[in-house]
Amino acid sequence: GDSVTQTEGQVALSEEDFLTIHCNYSASGYPTLFWYVQYPGEGPQLLFRASRDKEKGSSRGFEATYDKGTTSFHLRKASVQESDSAVYYCALSDHYAQGLTFGLGTRVSVFP
Amino acid sequence: DTTVKQNPRYKLARVGKPVNLICSQTMNHDTMYWYQKKPNQAPKLLLFYYDKILNREADTFEKFQSSRPNNSFCSLYIGSAGLEYSAMYLCASSRDPDWGQNTLYFGAGTRLSVL
Repeated sequence: GDSVTQTEGQVALSEEDFLTIHCNYSASGYPTLFWYVQYPGEGPQLLFRASRDKEKGSSRGFEATYDKGTTSFHLRKASVQESDSAVYYCALSDHYAQGLTFGLGTRVSVFP
Repeated sequence: DTTVKQNPRYKLARVGKPVNLICSQTMNHDTMYWYQKKPNQAPKLLLFYYDKILNREADTFEKFQSSRPNNSFCSLYIGSAGLEYSAMYLCASSRDPDWGQNTLYFGAGTRLSVL
């Protein structure tokens, strides 16, 4: 079945640091890839998505590029802020089922 | 208003007792989902409704029931709670799906503790 593997556990950063969360996927079809963010006390919300090879998704200074060759969709932000502290989920949706397949999530803590 | 509401936020249940969780959305979305999230695990899809059609994942078929009396509401029912049901339950909705293009809107979740 489909699966998503992302940087596990927790990442601690200082403000203005560069953030990278690695995400690799395995899917039988040609999936759409997503990054969701979950702030404390809230449900996950869509950050952005990409549907085609080499397509770049971006929002709020975060970006990721769909790479079919390496089956990756790594999340990057050049300069994080304390308000970026949250759990980030990489997810995919293939064309033959509904719902999302999520990675384990990565908790990002940004300190001033 | 892109809001999915879940009630209650916290639920305490006894082993062997039934549990009913409620979700509502006002976006007129055709599809509603239930996910289970346990610590150190990825959110796991339990089931979803597309309009009035219920689809349950094969490995959770026997463990969870659901109903959708109208477009706005969806419930998740556990007939006899066990310790393994302790988790966060996330409800989500999406519009008529475009096979992989749809955005899921999540509620804040119900944290179920079974004692």
